[in-house]
Amino acid sequence: DQQVKQNSPSLSVQEGRISILNCDYTNSMFDYFLWYKKYPAEGPTFLISISSIKDKNEDGRFTVFLNKSAKHLSLHIVPSQPGDSAVYFCAASASGNQFYFGTGTSLTVIP
Amino acid sequence: DSGVTQTPKHLITATGQRVTLRCSPRSGDLSVYWYQQSLDQGLQFLIQYYNGEERAKGNILERFSAQQFPDLHSELNLSSLELGDSALYFCASSALFSGAPLPNTEAFFGQGTRLTVV
Repeated sequence: DQQVKQNSPSLSVQEGRISILNCDYTNSMFDYFLWYKKYPAEGPTFLISISSIKDKNEDGRFTVFLNKSAKHLSLHIVPSQPGDSAVYFCAASASGNQFYFGTGTSLTVIP
Repeated sequence: DSGVTQTPKHLITATGQRVTLRCSPRSGDLSVYWYQQSLDQGLQFLIQYYNGEERAKGNILERFSAQQFPDLHSELNLSSLELGDSALYFCASSALFSGAPLPNTEAFFGQGTRLTVV
């Protein structure tokens, strides 16, 4: 049972434009959400997170939005750069328990 | 560098064999997680240890087992290997604490071990 879902396997965006990656979850007990970025042959690296008490968290070009009523979160990257091309994983946890990951979205930023 | 070390980086073995993957967590992290990533799949949670004790179990096969030692390093043992076990195996660690309240903290991943079963 996939508790965290990323329904778009891939996304292509022009350099300089906004990239929006989406994630849905089913478990209402999740209280912490994270985005990870993964390059080929490397482990995932932490990008940005948000607690369930917030609806937005911003870090430079990256902003994560959380809509608890819709059980949906999104990652916005503005402006997108070619170096952002990677697989992005959404993850969630409940009360500090294990992290549940989505299946990932492969982002390609076209120069 | 995440501070999480996994060895070996690559492993090729035959069906039916047994292998051990090793993970050294970041200094001070008590929680260790193991994940499997098969081709074109997401990160499947296998198991979590906290301070030497099993904390949570995911989709881990009975042929697989893990443990966390007093020095907090962890090993994932895979036995009676099948072709379908070929995957990337990631270890992650975090400073998650047992009990409440829990601080929000991310997990840091190692570079992974690529297992190929032939």
